[in-house]
Amino acid sequence: TQLLEQSPQFLSIQEGENLTVYCNSSSVFSSLQWYRQEPGEGPVLLVTVVTGGEVKKLKRLTFQFGDARKDSSLHITAAQPGDTGLYLCAGASNFGNEKLTFGTGTRLTIIP
Amino acid sequence: SAVISQKPSRDICQRGTSLTIQCQVDSQVTMMFWYRQQPGQSLTLIATANQGSEATYESGFVIDKFPISRPNLTFSTLTVSNMSPEDSSIYLCSVATTVLNEQFFGPGTRLTVL
Repeated sequence: TQLLEQSPQFLSIQEGENLTVYCNSSSVFSSLQWYRQEPGEGPVLLVTVVTGGEVKKLKRLTFQFGDARKDSSLHITAAQPGDTGLYLCAGASNFGNEKLTFGTGTRLTIIP
Repeated sequence: SAVISQKPSRDICQRGTSLTIQCQVDSQVTMMFWYRQQPGQSLTLIATANQGSEATYESGFVIDKFPISRPNLTFSTLTVSNMSPEDSSIYLCSVATTVLNEQFFGPGTRLTVL
């Protein structure tokens, strides 16, 4: 069974600070996604990474896929209250029509 | 990306009853999934809904408790049978539309069992 452990589980920081969320596994993934979920809604896809060592930027969010494709990180610069939510990483073992394994989740609260 | 709707958005049910949740997609998709999300937790996959055949259930989930229908490529239902308070959760459907296994989710159904 593949497991994706996220850390920290909870994070509460002041607006304007930087933060990093980690997603770790002992398994290799062909692709890894990050989702954000707000209360009362389903998760929304933020990014997909597929190449070991890949770095993708989405405005103030920077995503990195580990060289061995077993781990990933999400870095947020100058956090804003709108970044508040549950962040989930999810991995797939193969390309095409595969179910995802979801991480344990990081609940982020940005204090104005 | 696909647009997904779920009905009902929330419900409060009595112990021992059953509830059927509907998931409608605005385009034909091959892969549809049903998840459970318990309060404050991550997503747990219940099953993959297969069009024209029986759903594929994950370990710990059985067809008698969570029967699933998938009559066509745009619609699926999940029934939560003989409910108990432990079934109180958010139930989410999702679709996968790309070779990268990216999934798009419905808004969820919040179920409370008394």
